[in-house]
Amino acid sequence: SQTIHQWPATLVQPVGSPLSLECTVEGTSNPNLYWYRQAAGRGLQLLFYSVGIGQISSEVPQNLSASRPQDRQFILSSKKLLLSDSGFYLCAWSGRGGSMDIQYFGAGTRLSVL
Amino acid sequence: AQKVTQAQTEISVVEKEDVTLDCVYETRDTTYYLFWYKQPPSGELVFLIRRNSFDEQNEISGRYSWNFQKSTSSFNFTITASQVVDSAVYFCALSEVGRDDKIIFGKGTRLHILP
Repeated sequence: SQTIHQWPATLVQPVGSPLSLECTVEGTSNPNLYWYRQAAGRGLQLLFYSVGIGQISSEVPQNLSASRPQDRQFILSSKKLLLSDSGFYLCAWSGRGGSMDIQYFGAGTRLSVL
Repeated sequence: AQKVTQAQTEISVVEKEDVTLDCVYETRDTTYYLFWYKQPPSGELVFLIRRNSFDEQNEISGRYSWNFQKSTSSFNFTITASQVVDSAVYFCALSEVGRDDKIIFGKGTRLHILP
């Protein structure tokens, strides 16, 4: 069966520090991968998605970036965190069935930038 | 443009009551998919249901049921005999064919089931 791992679960970082969040998927090949952010008390905002290794689409311009160095690995990064980067970050994967495919989510990373 | 509206920001009901969560969507496409997800306090989003635009049959799964009405562009979710474990944020979502496999989420409805 497929599983998705996300770490760390919680992170507290000072403003201006770098960020690296990692997400890996097991039990499937060539998945679509997604990064979302959920600000406190708000809905989900799609940040990046990837349909293959090295292929990243950005939804919202900001100081975050994403990379997909391996088929089942998706990394969210920042060189310098801002206070506004605080939030709950969720990684998700789906199959290659297009818009009909269900997205399955990881447990999330709660990021606090102080 | 595609849009999902969950007008109820927060709902509180007493345990064992029935509760309906509303979802209204906008799309220009004739082929699309609708989803409901549950986000318990732990934070992980849990998939509940997917419907395609050609299947308007209502669905029932245990205490959960979904009412899809294309005429009103609504996909409402009802929990019967609610339980405290149903307390969560519930998201309705929409995806359109050919839209780069993206899902548009509503802002969610926070449901409190009071003991």
